[in-house]
Formats: sequence, C-alpha cells, structure tokens
Amino acid sequence: DAKTTQPNSMESNEEEPVHLPCNHSTISGTDYIHWYRQLPSQGPEYVIHGLTSNVNNRMASLAIAEDRKSSTLILHRATLRDAAVYYCILRDEGGSEKLVFGKGTKLTV
Amino acid sequence: DADVTQTPRNRITKTGKRIMLECSQTKGHDRMYWYRQDPGLGLRLIYYSFDVKDINKGEISDGYSVSRQAQAKFSLSLESAIPNQTALYFCATSDRVGTNEKLFFGSGTQLSVL
Repeated sequence: DAKTTQPNSMESNEEEPVHLPCNHSTISGTDYIHWYRQLPSQGPEYVIHGLTSNVNNRMASLAIAEDRKSSTLILHRATLRDAAVYYCILRDEGGSEKLVFGKGTKLTV
Repeated sequence: DADVTQTPRNRITKTGKRIMLECSQTKGHDRMYWYRQDPGLGLRLIYYSFDVKDINKGEISDGYSVSRQAQAKFSLSLESAIPNQTALYFCATSDRVGTNEKLFFGSGTQLSVL
C-alpha cells in the first residue's frame, strides 16, 4: 500500500498560518494527493487534492514538492474551527480503488 | 438534511448478535464505502461498491458483509458480533472521475459489542 507519514500532533495560535507536512516517498506517478480533516464527533471532510502543481481553494493551499515525495497543507489563518485531525491520503499503489487513510495529524489551535 | 445518513448513530449489542448498520445517500453517487475507525489506527476500509450489486472487499472484511440493493443504500452487517468489532463506523460516497476522487462521509455509527 502507498504510505504516508505525518506528525502525530501540531499546535498553532489563532490567526497564524499552519503548515501540515506529509511524506509519501512511495507515491506513484498517477497518484493524487488528497487531504481530509475530521472535526470532533464528525466524519472526515474533503479539504483539497492535487497531482503535481500547487493548489488553492477556499479552505487551504496544497504545496507539492517537485519530486512529489512530500506535500504540505497550508491553512493561511488558523481559527478554532480548524482544530481537527488532518489526513494526508494517497490512492493505493496497487491501483486498487481505495483511498488509504493514515493516522493523521491532530491540530490544536 | 445530510447528504449521507447513517443509522443508528449509536448501538450497543451483545456478543453473538446479528446487527445491521444502514447508510443512505442523496448525492446520486454510484460509489459507496464502509470504513471502520479505531483509536490510533485511522480509518480502515471494510467494503466498497461501485454500483448496485457490485461488492468488493476492503482490507478488513472478515466478520462483515454488505448489501447494495439500490444506488442510494449500502448496508453493513455483522453476522455474529464480537467485542473487537467495537468501533466507529463510517459510510462514504464518492464522485470519482478518473483518478480524481472526493469522498463524502456520514456522521458515523458508534458500535459497542459487549
């Protein structure tokens, strides 16, 4: 299975930017990098995804390394509502039809 | 109303009992998934379905079965529940196009097997 490595936890102050790292050294050429987050007592929700280029949306930005072996989710101004577990996810390297969730990073704001 | 609805939200049952968890969606997606979440282990895929009557095993399907009788409904069954099946269960749907996939999750069912 394609694996991701994330720090177990991170802390941030309100209104400050947060950079959540993810390593995925075994990523295949066509795997998209997905980020989801899970707020307390809720199911995970989609944040952003990308393939090679940096991506921006209303929730966050995704910076992807040139070799694609790592990526960083950027929350530009953290708020209390951003406190959640953030998951960096790749499609399974065997080409199977599943997204493999890691353990995620618990962000405390 | 939620796009992906799971029932019940909480369930306590005894070892050996049969139990069914229900999932319904109004998003019109063909793909549906059942995940299990245990503390410290993230989410693990149990079963998934790409269409009515299509069923595929995930990484931890032993002890579970599913039924997809309609596009909008995907149920998960535990034929004989055991305590280590105590977990938080999530249903999800997706609108995958090519390798680009976005999952939409329900609010989860907390199952306790005594």
